[in-house]
Amino acid sequence: AAGVIQSPRHLIKEKRETATLKCYPIPRHDTVYWYQQGPGQDPQFLISFYEKMQSDKGSIPDRFSAQQFSDYHSELNMSSLELGDSALYFCASSSTSGETQYFGPGTRLLVL
Amino acid sequence: GENVEQHPSTLSVQEGDSAVIKCTYSDSASNYFPWYKQELGKGPQLIIDIRSNVGEKKDQRIAVTLNKTAKHFSLHITETQPEDSAVYFCAASMGNYGQNFVFGPGTRLSVLP
Repeated sequence: AAGVIQSPRHLIKEKRETATLKCYPIPRHDTVYWYQQGPGQDPQFLISFYEKMQSDKGSIPDRFSAQQFSDYHSELNMSSLELGDSALYFCASSSTSGETQYFGPGTRLLVL
Repeated sequence: GENVEQHPSTLSVQEGDSAVIKCTYSDSASNYFPWYKQELGKGPQLIIDIRSNVGEKKDQRIAVTLNKTAKHFSLHITETQPEDSAVYFCAASMGNYGQNFVFGPGTRLSVLP
């Protein structure tokens, strides 16, 4: 079965640079969630979109923004990167038929 | 907001033994409780979930129990195998569309051969 696709899988950036992470949900899933996971920590919710509209917002820094496009894929834009932004970033998707979230493989971001 | 606690933080068992991980949540409005397994370098993988209208659910060697009154739920793994070694996260949500999960801090399970 098709899973959530994230790209890139690995990303190295310098401080103050920008990064864009992409997420392609499971086909026919209309809800996308973004999570940040630091080393040895649990995933922390950043933001979610349902039918291309922001549906919930968590601990997302003002330097980050995200959107969901007409094909339901989502992009997380990160500006003025800081060392502390180094983490795994997961995207998850769900459908309106249920609340189960399916996670992608993640993007490992390293800020130097 | 919701707060999820999880115990123990680490758990070592012998192959073939059972493992139990417990979680508590604070928001009585939460009604959906999934469990995820995360292997090193991979995304969390859903292994079982339970909704508030059910007290227990089983899937082969994995079972989850929920006590809504006490606001706690537990993961039970029987006949553990080395490939069960991973970090396990419980989570709670109100189950609405786009509603985020609040995760517990995780349990690192090691199954010793």
